[in-house]
Amino acid sequence: GAGVSQTPSNKVTEKGKYVELRCDPISGHTALYWYRQSLGQGPEFLIYFQGTGAADDSGLPNDRFFAVRPEGSVSTLKIQRTERGDSAVYLCASSLRTGTTDTQYFGPGTRLTVL
Amino acid sequence: KNQVEQSPQSLIILEGKNCTLQCNYTVSPFSNLRWYKQDTGRGPVSLTIMTFSENTKSNGRYTATLDADTKQSSLHITASQLSDSASYICVVTASGTYKYIFGTGTRLKVLA
Repeated sequence: GAGVSQTPSNKVTEKGKYVELRCDPISGHTALYWYRQSLGQGPEFLIYFQGTGAADDSGLPNDRFFAVRPEGSVSTLKIQRTERGDSAVYLCASSLRTGTTDTQYFGPGTRLTVL
Repeated sequence: KNQVEQSPQSLIILEGKNCTLQCNYTVSPFSNLRWYKQDTGRGPVSLTIMTFSENTKSNGRYTATLDADTKQSSLHITASQLSDSASYICVVTASGTYKYIFGTGTRLKVLA
């Protein structure tokens, strides 16, 4: 596709459930980023992939959060035992390569609501 | 601590008017500064990028300025349109890192 896509666009789940959020980056982009954005705030970094490997997962809030990118393209963010505080918009971005001047292109986000 | 602060938090203007949004940062060493536009329910879209040596960059009706000495940037919107209603986020990257440091954004509402 032309841009970064994310599915689902909205996800409502109950406290304690497991959820998976999917990101399809721009074709050919080697770097992929996950962010979390709470209402009225700027995005908060979660994890960054260079190719298949997680180059930096320092933003993951705890071990309930995990992300994979097995073939270096599509990525899945996995949240176990969801809590109400996990409710937010989860944004994915990709860039052509790693570099401080490479622009990150963002997807539309997945709005997660934990009841 | 590397921080990016934006002002005002929100702004309402009439269609056709100009406005200026502010961004102050403490990120060091500085690499570049971007302005993103985020429509409601959408992901941020890049408007401009400026490096240390650039002090102004335009993209249509959007003009960004950078003063690396005072660590301030502004985004000026000329002849505002209803479609300019969005959040505008200032993003700074430190030298030698890929990490974006986001401001909390300015929510702009343009009224007819």
